Formats: sequence, structure tokens, C-alpha cells
Amino acid sequence: IAGITQAPTSQILAAGRRMTLRCTQDMRHNAMYWYRQDLGLGLRLIHYSNTAGTTGKGEVPDGYSVSRANTDDFPLTLASAVPSQTSVYFCASSMAVWRDTQYFGPGTRLTVL
Amino acid sequence: EDKVVQSPLSLVVHEGDTVTLNCSYEVTNFRSLLWYKQEKKAPTFLFMLTSSGIEKKSGRLSSILDKKELFSILNITATQTGDSAVYLCAVLNTGTASKLTFGTGTRLQVTL
Repeated sequence: IAGITQAPTSQILAAGRRMTLRCTQDMRHNAMYWYRQDLGLGLRLIHYSNTAGTTGKGEVPDGYSVSRANTDDFPLTLASAVPSQTSVYFCASSMAVWRDTQYFGPGTRLTVL
Repeated sequence: EDKVVQSPLSLVVHEGDTVTLNCSYEVTNFRSLLWYKQEKKAPTFLFMLTSSGIEKKSGRLSSILDKKELFSILNITATQTGDSAVYLCAVLNTGTASKLTFGTGTRLQVTL
């Protein structure tokens, strides 16, 4: 693995279903982030984690949860998906939270019907 | 509310042209401004600017920050079709509510 990987690449999901988007980084970065990108709205922060064991809310956290059990993994869970959560989701990481350049994963395109 | 505005929204130029992309911002406790290039997938980092008046260069790309007037420009000289992408500007603030605020991007298309 080199950098950040995300899975799945894309997913179509029925409304009301539970879904976990996976993110793994191998750069030993302390901080990780989840963004969603929607046309005309740019990238918006959902949740972040400044180190393993801690998480924080971003600009649009409702309907999403995260966990950070270790340095490498930062999964994003939609407990009960709704159509407004249709978006492209990007995971990112940086050496330290908010102080360094963020490097982005390839993204997951999620469609909720 | 923190705000980052990019202009133009989109731009079509011919290969070899020089382009200037603009980013203006209003944020509290400014720390740095970042430029990213986004092609089909993930944004890729271009520059981080922290100090006014110091130009950052990478090949045909350069960028400068004006902290007094609250804006940055990204210049691309001798454009190539491979420069076609969405260019994102983001501003990092710091403090108890640190965050990275993104603009909606400028879509650049370079034609032959």
C-alpha cells in the first residue's frame, strides 16, 4: 500500500441501509479526515481525528459516525442512509491535525436510492 | 462564517496560453492557504502558502499570497492539455475551531 486507499470505489445503496466506507493510510499520519464533495458546494468536512482514539465533528456530521481504533484506519459509517447522502466521499490524512498538508485518497462514489 | 471564493468558475484556453486563477478568502485566525489540482479523482497537493509576497514555484505553476488583501493567485504558464482539471483553493485557520475551508474550484480546460 502506498498512501491512502479507500473502499469501495463506488456503491449503490438502498435508503435505510447501513454502510461503512473504509479508509486506510500507510504514511503513519496522526490526523485523518472525511470529506464529502458535492457539485457546487465543494469539499465539506464530515469528521476528523487528530490521533488514534479521538475524533471530532466537522461541518456536516449528521447521519455519519467514525471511529479511530488505530493509526492506519478511519472508517466512516452511515447508520441509515438517505438520498441526500449521495456524494463522493474522500478520506485524507496529514502528519498533524490542521497544521500540515492533507493528502487525499481516491474517493468513494456513493449513490443512495 | 469562513468563506473561500474562487474565480473564474470555469475557463477554456488554448494550449500555450498563460492563465491566472484567483482565490479570495474571509477567515478568522488565518494560518495558511493551499492549492490543489483535482483531475478525475483525488485532489493532489500543489502549494501551501503562509507568508505574503513569497512566490512558490513548481515548473510552470506558481502561486503567491497577499494577506493584506486576502487573496491568492495561481499562475500556469505555457498551458498543456494535461493541465485540464479543477483547481481547488483551501484556507486553513487555527485556534479552538480549526478547520480547512475549500472553495468550489475553477474548472480549467486546455484545448489544442
